[in-house]
Amino acid sequence: ETGVTQSPTHLIKTRGQQVTLRCSSQSGHNTVSWYQQALGQGPQFIFQYYREEENGRGNFPPRFSGLQFPNYSSELNVNALELDDSALYLCASSSGTGWENTIYFGEGSWLTVV
Amino acid sequence: AQSVTQLGSHVSVSEGALVLLRCNYSSSVPPYLFWYVQYPNQGLQLLLKYTSAATLVKGINGFEAEFKKSETSFHLTKPSAHMSDAAEYFCAVTLTGGGNKLTFGTGTQLKVEL
Repeated sequence: ETGVTQSPTHLIKTRGQQVTLRCSSQSGHNTVSWYQQALGQGPQFIFQYYREEENGRGNFPPRFSGLQFPNYSSELNVNALELDDSALYLCASSSGTGWENTIYFGEGSWLTVV
Repeated sequence: AQSVTQLGSHVSVSEGALVLLRCNYSSSVPPYLFWYVQYPNQGLQLLLKYTSAATLVKGINGFEAEFKKSETSFHLTKPSAHMSDAAEYFCAVTLTGGGNKLTFGTGTQLKVEL
């Protein structure tokens, strides 16, 4: 158990719809990162939030957006869903943004777009 | 940009045999390297990390990895495989100044047979 919880665990959406995924970070952690893991692939970095501000973004289009709240929990929003957005979305929290701050992953949210 | 390559998407070993999972990195500056394990339907768990303090890094569950700059490698080994080691293993890299935003390899599925 890493103390990082994600919801929902599974969901199915239709192409063109919007989805919101939620993440509660481990107690004391002020940094949340989101990754997309397509089937058979390694996780890809989407973006990171540090103290409610975006702190870096990977190669994902603007329809992927996020928020971090004062309690450091976070949301990932995806608009205009495409079939290729079907993946496991992983949230990870850490006590800072430096390489020395180990990131702890949640169990993920499985998104299927049909 | 940094990247890691994992040779062999599937590796099969007998219980009690040596485990060797390969990872090569590409980076023009000294990297920080990580190995994560993912059990079915779970998030990623950190096995070990290289931070330049020592080239041989010991991790959890009896795993270790050796950083070889001349070979740009960071292979993961375990002297004796156990059935519980069956999982997917990911090598990841971040760079000095890159914080803890990780770039993952495509993963190696380890199968342990009786």
